[in-house]
Order: sequence, then C-alpha cells, then structure tokens
Amino acid sequence: QQQVKQSPQSLIVQKGGISIINCAYENTAFDYFPWYQQFPGKGPALLIAIRPDVSEKKEGRFTISFNKSAKQFSLHIMDSQPGDSATYFCAASRGMGAQKLVFGQGTRLTINP
Amino acid sequence: DTGVSQNPRHKITKRGQNVTFRCDPISEHNRLYWYRQTLGQGPEFLTYFQNEAQLEKSRLLSDRFSAERPKGSFSTLEIQRTEQGDSAMYLCASRPAGAQETQYFGPGTRLLVL
Repeated sequence: QQQVKQSPQSLIVQKGGISIINCAYENTAFDYFPWYQQFPGKGPALLIAIRPDVSEKKEGRFTISFNKSAKQFSLHIMDSQPGDSATYFCAASRGMGAQKLVFGQGTRLTINP
Repeated sequence: DTGVSQNPRHKITKRGQNVTFRCDPISEHNRLYWYRQTLGQGPEFLTYFQNEAQLEKSRLLSDRFSAERPKGSFSTLEIQRTEQGDSAMYLCASRPAGAQETQYFGPGTRLLVL
C-alpha cells in the first residue's frame, strides 16, 4: 500500500520560475512531513519540514503548504535556479516509535537556464 | 567530515554471493536506520536501531538480510545469497535521541548483483 503519493514524476521550470511539487498521504497518524533533496550519487538531504499544526512554513526560497483536511502538502521553490536541479522527495512519519520515514516516489526537477 | 559515512560506496557481486555493508552514524546519534532505494523510487524503510537494539524490521527484510549494531555505534547490513532483485542503493541514516525528527542520510552503497 502506497502511503505517500507524489506528483509530478518530472518537472521542467525556467530559471526564475516557481517549481511546485505535490504530495498526498493516507495515514492520518502521520505528524511530521519533511522534504528531501537528492543529487545524483548522494544521499537525501533535508530541505524543510512541517508539522500539521501549521498550514505553511517558509525557509528562504522554499515553502511548504499543508492542508490537513485534504491530507495534502506541497513544496514551492521560488525563483528557481539551475542549482536546484535535483530529485525531490516528500516523506511522512508518525511521532511515536521508530519514526521511520515513508517516502513518495520522487520528482526529478530540471531548471533550464 | 562528521556526517554519516557508508562503505563501500559501490559493490558489484555475483548472484549467490554474500555482501556486507557498513554504516558509521553521526557521533552520539543513538538511532540508526537502513533504507533501500531502487532506481526512480523513493527510499523504503528496512530496519531501525535504538542504540544496539534492533527495534523494528520491515517485511521487505527477508531472512537473507541481517543487520547488527553491536556496540550501539556503527552498523552492518549483510545480504546472504544475493539475488538480482537485491540490486539497489542501500542508505543509512541516523538521528539523535529526543524529539528532533530529522534523519541525516549517508551517501549510500550502490549494489549491483550480476
């Protein structure tokens, strides 16, 4: 059972544009929602994360929007730059126990100069 | 570099051979995770340690897989009688004790089974 669904699978954005990646989850017990960035040959690195008690979190050019009733959250990258070209993963975990991360399938983002 | 380290970075083996990977977590991180990532997919949870205790294992972890963290520091993941379907990137992550949820990932070990 796929618990976190991510879209689109790939995305091409012009430099300076806004990149938007969406995720939907099924398990209402999830209470931590991070976004990871992964470059080829590297492990995932945390970009930004949100808990469901807030609807939006912004860090620099990266913003997470969270809709608890719809069980959806999204990543917005403002003023997208070629260096942002990478694969992005949304994830979710429960607060109790192992807090293992359940990842989406990933979005390959390409920023054209 | 004080990040999570994994060795080897790449491993090519023949079907039926045993392989072992090592993960050194960030110092004083008492929680350690193993994930598997196949091409074009997100990482999938395999197992979790709190100190030396293995507290949770995924159903993905067949009896050919075994993980240890003998002294609560580094961890090893062994795959016995490898199959072509085991070809993947094996990622290790660590996290400190307490409420902070961030998991810090290593660079991974890429396994190719011929």
